[in-house]
Amino acid sequence: AQSVSQHNHHVILSEAASLELGCNYSYGGTVNLFWYVQYPGQHLQLLLKYFSGDPLVKGIKGFEAEFIKSKFSFNLRKPSVQWSDTAEYFCAVTPNNAGNMLTFGGGTRLMVKP
Amino acid sequence: KAGVTQTPRYLIKTRGQQVTLSCSPISGHRSVSWYQQTPGQGLQFLFEYFSETQRNKGNFPGRFSGRQFSNSRSEMNVSTLELGDSALYLCASSLGANSFTDTQYFGPGTRLTVL
Repeated sequence: AQSVSQHNHHVILSEAASLELGCNYSYGGTVNLFWYVQYPGQHLQLLLKYFSGDPLVKGIKGFEAEFIKSKFSFNLRKPSVQWSDTAEYFCAVTPNNAGNMLTFGGGTRLMVKP
Repeated sequence: KAGVTQTPRYLIKTRGQQVTLSCSPISGHRSVSWYQQTPGQGLQFLFEYFSETQRNKGNFPGRFSGRQFSNSRSEMNVSTLELGDSALYLCASSLGANSFTDTQYFGPGTRLTVL
């Protein structure tokens, strides 16, 4: 069975700081990778996803993620965070051709200080 | 376009009772998945339905069951409730069952409290 680890449980940054959230997964086969975000009081929503091709994926709101196959990692980055990026971020994985069965990491709570 | 709706939004039950939660997917979506979210275990996959058929099932006891109707609406049922079943239950819908092409859209969840 696959698993996902997010090493940073809580991150506090000041506005304009750069962000990198770590995500590692364990699975022997081909996977589809996702980052979801949950803003305070809102639904879980998709930030970006990776299936194949260019390992650097760009998502909404200036976020990007890089898939490094040799490290089983899919880290999320943003060059300059804003107060509105305060949220909980979840990395998720599903084996290729396994439908919509997402395995989520434990989440990272990001607080951006104005 | 209306999003995923879940009813009820909040529910309080006592141990031993059973509960049914409902999810209405976005119009035209045929796949519905359910997740349990708790502070201790995080987000865990329960089951996935596509065209009234269960495609995948997570590692939960048989007390957790679900179904999907011909209009794609889905229900999940938990029988013989335990304190540990207290959680936020999230429903997600997508056009199809291919995570490669079909983005999952999540609902607001049903907050279940078991006393």
